[in-house]
Amino acid sequence: DTAVSQTPKYLVTQMGNDKSIKCEQNLGHDTMYWYKQDSKKFLKIMFSYNNKELIINETVPNRFSPKSPDKAHLNLHINSLELGDSAVYFCASSPTLSGGAYEQYFGPGTRLTVT
Amino acid sequence: SQQGEEDPQALSIQEGENATMNCSYKTSINNLQWYRQNSGRGLVHLILIRSNEREKHSGRLRVTLDTSKKSSSLLITASRAADTASYFCATTVMTTDSWGKLQFGAGTQVVVTP
Repeated sequence: DTAVSQTPKYLVTQMGNDKSIKCEQNLGHDTMYWYKQDSKKFLKIMFSYNNKELIINETVPNRFSPKSPDKAHLNLHINSLELGDSAVYFCASSPTLSGGAYEQYFGPGTRLTVT
Repeated sequence: SQQGEEDPQALSIQEGENATMNCSYKTSINNLQWYRQNSGRGLVHLILIRSNEREKHSGRLRVTLDTSKKSSSLLITASRAADTASYFCATTVMTTDSWGKLQFGAGTQVVVTP
């Protein structure tokens, strides 16, 4: 069974389009995250939700809007896509957001290419 | 800004050799974690070491933490081709409202040749 799954795995789209990435975890975790990994493999947190509540919101353009319909799902919607949004986006989950004291479980990633 | 920085950026070794990589960080931490990322995959947690621990082992992995030097090392003993991956350290940084978040370094790319 896949612990953290993301769809789609690959996403190729044109500038200006709106797209969504979905994430689901079946681990029963309270906390979910979105990360962006750039071409140099640098991984940066974007958002974190704890029990459907937004906890961490890094300095991400407001074109990015996360949504957590329940604690097992965290989706990422991106409006007006730009070339610089091209990256691999990872969803992750952890039991709680308790000072980062727990390991995080990562999904397989969604490679977004904006042309 | 980046909290953890791994060194070296890339490491090429032969099967059976040991691989050592280092991580330096800037601010005080609660704990430090190491993750592995195989090409085209998500990150997999390897080991977590708390700020009051100095060394931790897991199978062929050995992690040390020196909080006075703000550095950690990951040693993979008797490496195998399957250890080929990128290795990241991640430190927990407390946010202003006391929620912890992980900050990752840029990783060390390890290639193990048979």
